[in-house]
Amino acid sequence: KQEVTQIPAALSVPEGENLVLNCSFTDSAIYNLQWFRQDPGKGLTSLLLIQSSQREQTSGRLNASLDKSSGRSTLYIAASQPGDSATYLCAVSKAGGYQKVTFGTGTKLQVIP
Amino acid sequence: SAVISQKPSRDICQRGTSLTIQCQVDSQVTMMFWYRQQPGQSLTLIATANQGSEATYESGFVIDKFPISRPNLTFSTLTVSNMSPEDSSIYLCSSQGVSGRRDNEQFFGPGTRLTVL
Repeated sequence: KQEVTQIPAALSVPEGENLVLNCSFTDSAIYNLQWFRQDPGKGLTSLLLIQSSQREQTSGRLNASLDKSSGRSTLYIAASQPGDSATYLCAVSKAGGYQKVTFGTGTKLQVIP
Repeated sequence: SAVISQKPSRDICQRGTSLTIQCQVDSQVTMMFWYRQQPGQSLTLIATANQGSEATYESGFVIDKFPISRPNLTFSTLTVSNMSPEDSSIYLCSSQGVSGRRDNEQFFGPGTRLTVL
């Protein structure tokens, strides 16, 4: 059974700092990995999707990397802003096509002005 | 990306009653899913909503408690039946198989925040 863990569970940083969020998974036979953000009491917003054949994806100040062999992904946020404050979730899917995903435990980020 | 709406956005219900949550996607999608997110927790998949057939439920979830419909490729409903305070959660609808996007890329609705008294 796939288990997805995110460390740290919570993180507080001053505005402008670069930061890294970690995601680890126990079964390396994944098809892709997706990073989401969730604002309090809201749904999930898709940030980045990395296919298993890729090493990284970038979108603006966000960069996500994937190391399947070690079962790890990182989400790098450059020059953090108060608007980045949210919970960040990673999710992995096992097989190709349309398959359910397994969500991580989440990292709650607070960026202090 | 797909735009997904849910109704209602929130509700407060009495124990023993039922609530039906609607999920509407602005384009045809292959797959639709229902998740539950209990306070302070991550997402747990309830079921896959299959178009034109019975939903596929995950371990711990049953049709009598969470009946699901999916009459077409853009719409689904989830009913939370005979509610108890333990059902207080955010319920989220998601979709996969959005035209022009990768197969497994998931998109989520805004969620329905349910409080059961």
